Amino acid sequence: GAGVSQSPSNKVTEKGKDVELRCDPISGHTALYWYRQSLGQGLEFLIYFQGNSAPDKSGLPSDRFSAERTGGSVSTLTIQRTQQEDSAVYLCASSLLRGEQYFGPGTRLTVT
Amino acid sequence: KNEVEQSPQNLTAQEGEFITINCSYSVGISALHWLQQHPGGGIVSLFMLSSGKKKHGRLIATINIQEKHSSLHITASHPRDSAVYICAVPWSGGGADGLTFGKGTHLIIQP
Repeated sequence: GAGVSQSPSNKVTEKGKDVELRCDPISGHTALYWYRQSLGQGLEFLIYFQGNSAPDKSGLPSDRFSAERTGGSVSTLTIQRTQQEDSAVYLCASSLLRGEQYFGPGTRLTVT
Repeated sequence: KNEVEQSPQNLTAQEGEFITINCSYSVGISALHWLQQHPGGGIVSLFMLSSGKKKHGRLIATINIQEKHSSLHITASHPRDSAVYICAVPWSGGGADGLTFGKGTHLIIQP
């Protein structure tokens, strides 16, 4: 079956603009995770959705970051007023509850 | 927050050698993940384990929950095993959590 998909694969934006990144998880997976990978910080947890429960936002680095998950499926990560330090690869993963996580290919964000 | 330490950070070996990568963590967990990332590639889950040992082909993962330690072994290593290997555990120790990651072990297998 189809894996986790993310779009766009690459995004270049100017400092101060807002961006939206999309994740389509594996069908039937109730858990969805956002991570980012940057040269300086490695892999970092951002936010976690499980079913209809309130998301765990404890990894979000600032209030410029937010995420939604509609209908328990597709998720959008929004970064407002982007800064150069937001440049990174943003990864989405999905899983069954407490199961193995399957990662998407990522969105490479470059803020100029 | 759980803290994860991996060693070594870098490892270069000859084809055929037995490889060991170590991971330790600070907070008790329900399961530990080993991930693989090839240069320029995506992240693939190799193992998720909560006790004992698991084996997939030439890869073996072990975990000691009491000592908060896990190892990843590669037998009969091959150049295609060259990749970054990453250990990860739940952010706060529970099972249904986002992961916190080690810094990774950059493995190069020379022919």
